[in-house]
Amino acid sequence: AQSVTQLGSHVSVSEGALVLLRCNYSSSVPPYLFWYVQYPNQGLQLLLKYTSAATLVKGINGFEAEFKKSETSFHLTKPSAHMSDAAEYFCAVSDGGGGFKTIFGAGTRLFVKA
Amino acid sequence: EAGVTQFPSHSVIEKGQTVTLRCDPISGHDNLYWYRRVMGKEIKFLLHFVKESKQDESGMPNNRFLAERTGGTYSTLKVQPAELEDSGVYFCASSHRGLVGYTFGSGTRLTVV
Repeated sequence: AQSVTQLGSHVSVSEGALVLLRCNYSSSVPPYLFWYVQYPNQGLQLLLKYTSAATLVKGINGFEAEFKKSETSFHLTKPSAHMSDAAEYFCAVSDGGGGFKTIFGAGTRLFVKA
Repeated sequence: EAGVTQFPSHSVIEKGQTVTLRCDPISGHDNLYWYRRVMGKEIKFLLHFVKESKQDESGMPNNRFLAERTGGTYSTLKVQPAELEDSGVYFCASSHRGLVGYTFGSGTRLTVV
């Protein structure tokens, strides 16, 4: 069975500071890993995905994530937070079988202070 | 290209009533998924269509939920009769065959009172 744990339901950073959102996964097979973002009153938007190619994955809006198999982690980072980054972020895992049924973490809400 | 469209965006119904949610996927996307987020909890898989066929409905909570996908285009999710615990946000997503990652709709917020 697969699972995802996001450490911290809320994270607060100052504008211009580093953003680090933590995600650990569990999977019995090589996983596909995702980060989705949900802005207020919108649907989830795919930020980036890991599909067993490069371990450092670059996404939209300056975000990136690094797949670390030894640590079973897929943390999301951005060097400098912007006010527009305030949203809820979801880490997710899929085994790729049967149409990529996806397991989501509980979400981390990012607050950005001026 | 148009995104995934869901309606209504909000629905408030009384316990025991029936509600039908609709999802229009991106044109040409064979895969269509329904997910649900109950307040404060994880987003949970409900079911997956490939064209008009149900590929996996292991996440459907019980037989009060019925999903259909007419002609492999739009999909409906009917809840009959609705219970209080059905309240939450219902998301639809679609993807092209073989592609990794979904495009989500904005969701339908269902409140059962």
